[in-house]
Amino acid sequence: DTGVSQDPRHKITKRGQNVTFRCDPISEHNRLYWYRQTLGQGPEFLTYFQNEAQLEKSRLLSDRFSAERPKGSFSTLEIQRTEQGDSAMYLCASSLTGENYGYTFGSGTRLTVV
Amino acid sequence: TQLLEQSPQFLSIQEGENLTVYCNSSSVFSSLQWYRQEPGEGPVLLVTVVTGGEVKKLKRLTFQFGDARKDSSLHITAAQPGDTGLYLCAGDPRNSGNTPLVFGKGTRLSVIA
Repeated sequence: DTGVSQDPRHKITKRGQNVTFRCDPISEHNRLYWYRQTLGQGPEFLTYFQNEAQLEKSRLLSDRFSAERPKGSFSTLEIQRTEQGDSAMYLCASSLTGENYGYTFGSGTRLTVV
Repeated sequence: TQLLEQSPQFLSIQEGENLTVYCNSSSVFSSLQWYRQEPGEGPVLLVTVVTGGEVKKLKRLTFQFGDARKDSSLHITAAQPGDTGLYLCAGDPRNSGNTPLVFGKGTRLSVIA
């Protein structure tokens, strides 16, 4: 297993465009998380899945954001009508279910909205 | 109000020095995790502390969980340039094992050769 993969690593887009990011978790992990990280901050929770079910969404996840995890494998995060404030590193992580299991993060997708 | 307060925010030291960084909360956590993040990469798990008063060692890194499980510290002995990075603590705010981790803002460490 090669760990958690995220694609693309970098994305530059014009304000108002839609973008989609992909995350491939560790295959044995049934939980998948999306976080956003801006400069000087720790990762902020956006949403997470257990298998294909989206169990929780943060209030940070406006209606312009949508995430899916069809078939409980890879996940996509789409941002519609991007704004400059969406510029951030978008991190995906996966884990097993249960207390005290650590997260394995991908390298992230850095989004720049110009 | 940040659920997990980390201090100091920035730390720059010379190679060979010792240092301690802190993670504090007014809430009780069933466990806390420490991660290290290098520029342009995702965080990497270092350790999970579970029991109040627990001490775990990882080579030159010593992690301690407070007796009341509200705080944790990370001590690095004889720091090396390879220790440079952002150190993050994280915990489950609802202690259910079923809620996403909340992260502190991190301590950015720079070790100068």
